[in-house]
Amino acid sequence: DTAVSQTPKYLVTQMGNDKSIKCEQNLGHDTMYWYKQDSKKFLKIMFSYNNKELIINETVPNRFSPKSPDKAHLNLHINSLELGDSAVYFCASSHMIRDPQETQYFGPGTRLLVL
Amino acid sequence: LAKTTQPISMDSYEGQEVNITCSHNNIATNDYITWYQQFPSQGPRFIIQGYKTKVTNEVASLFIPADRKSSTLSLPRVSLSDTAVYYCLVVGSYIPTFGRGTSLIVHP
Repeated sequence: DTAVSQTPKYLVTQMGNDKSIKCEQNLGHDTMYWYKQDSKKFLKIMFSYNNKELIINETVPNRFSPKSPDKAHLNLHINSLELGDSAVYFCASSHMIRDPQETQYFGPGTRLLVL
Repeated sequence: LAKTTQPISMDSYEGQEVNITCSHNNIATNDYITWYQQFPSQGPRFIIQGYKTKVTNEVASLFIPADRKSSTLSLPRVSLSDTAVYYCLVVGSYIPTFGRGTSLIVHP
């Protein structure tokens, strides 16, 4: 059973398009995250939701909009894609947020290439 | 925010012990130190966590000195399959920051 799943795994698109990435976790966790990893492996948090409520919103352009229909799903919609959006996007989940002993479970990543 | 500093890259050979040190000078009293491992084309996965002294599991050991301003991840007898990026995090009541991690390459 896949704990955290993301679709699609690969996404190639043109500049200016709108695209969505979906994430689902079956771990019963309350908190979900979106991360962006650049080509230098720098892994940076973008958003976090706790029980469908936005908790963390780092300095991310408002072209990126997370949506959480329920606590098992956190989707990422990106408007007007730019070349700099090319990266690997990881979804993650954890039992609690801001718990010193919390560990995060990551999905396999979505490799986005904007042409 | 407890910032961490770790080497960008390391090289080793099969069978050797690898130690990756992470500095976290402004760690807070309630913070834990957590390490993640990321294989190519996969998401990071938790490998070990500790608060002080030494923690050991089936994958690695974690050494934390008394002042807790640094920690060392120790991988015994590495193999080619240990080639990965290793992230050191200080986790407390704020957003955990992954950063760039240490890219470990194990050579035959």
